[in-house]
Amino acid sequence: QKEVEQDPGPLSVPEGAIVSLNCTYSNSAFQYFMWYRQYSRKGPELLMYTYSSGNKEDGRFTAQVDKSSKYISLFIRDSQPSDSATYLCAMSVGETSGSRLTFGEGTQLTVNP
Amino acid sequence: GAVVSQHPSWVICKSGTSVKIECRSLDFQATTMFWYRQFPKQSLMLMATSNEGSKATYEQGVEKDKFLINHASLTLSTLTVTSAHPEDSSFYICSSPSGGGETQYFGPGTRLLVL
Repeated sequence: QKEVEQDPGPLSVPEGAIVSLNCTYSNSAFQYFMWYRQYSRKGPELLMYTYSSGNKEDGRFTAQVDKSSKYISLFIRDSQPSDSATYLCAMSVGETSGSRLTFGEGTQLTVNP
Repeated sequence: GAVVSQHPSWVICKSGTSVKIECRSLDFQATTMFWYRQFPKQSLMLMATSNEGSKATYEQGVEKDKFLINHASLTLSTLTVTSAHPEDSSFYICSSPSGGGETQYFGPGTRLLVL
């Protein structure tokens, strides 16, 4: 069993839709949770970073963490064609420098105009 | 966020040759750099962790004699793919931890094609 599970998609939605991306994990030691966006042939770009259970909002993006269920989500409101990318969830166990990230498989999202 | 650059952005080489990829932290000092490999439609696979002034730590299954990592300064880490073969063709990405270490900032990646 993988430590982090993420549905690879692909996911296709119309412009303006609300997108929900999810990851589950099995390692209860994970304390830090991140969402990265990766455009084709580019490096991942950090979108959201959360620590505690609950919601964190940044513009059209909301990250949600439920540690009791070992479940994290990323919501994208009013999705745009420019949001078309692969979204990777990532987690780490500690904040010491050099803390390894464990990635989900990535979900490929297409927002159609 | 922190800025990490990579050079070259893409490279094509013949089988058997060696290729060096540079990863630079542009606006901060990076005592640690991570090197990842990513195959098409797959997630990132951690290859090794490099620490400035010391030997890199390689993940299980990664040949340290084939993937040479040097981290001689606080702003530069290099990955050399020695005697490259077609199966080494991949997207190589470096990253560096944020100041608090809780997350990482990634470089733009280097696409390697070995003919």
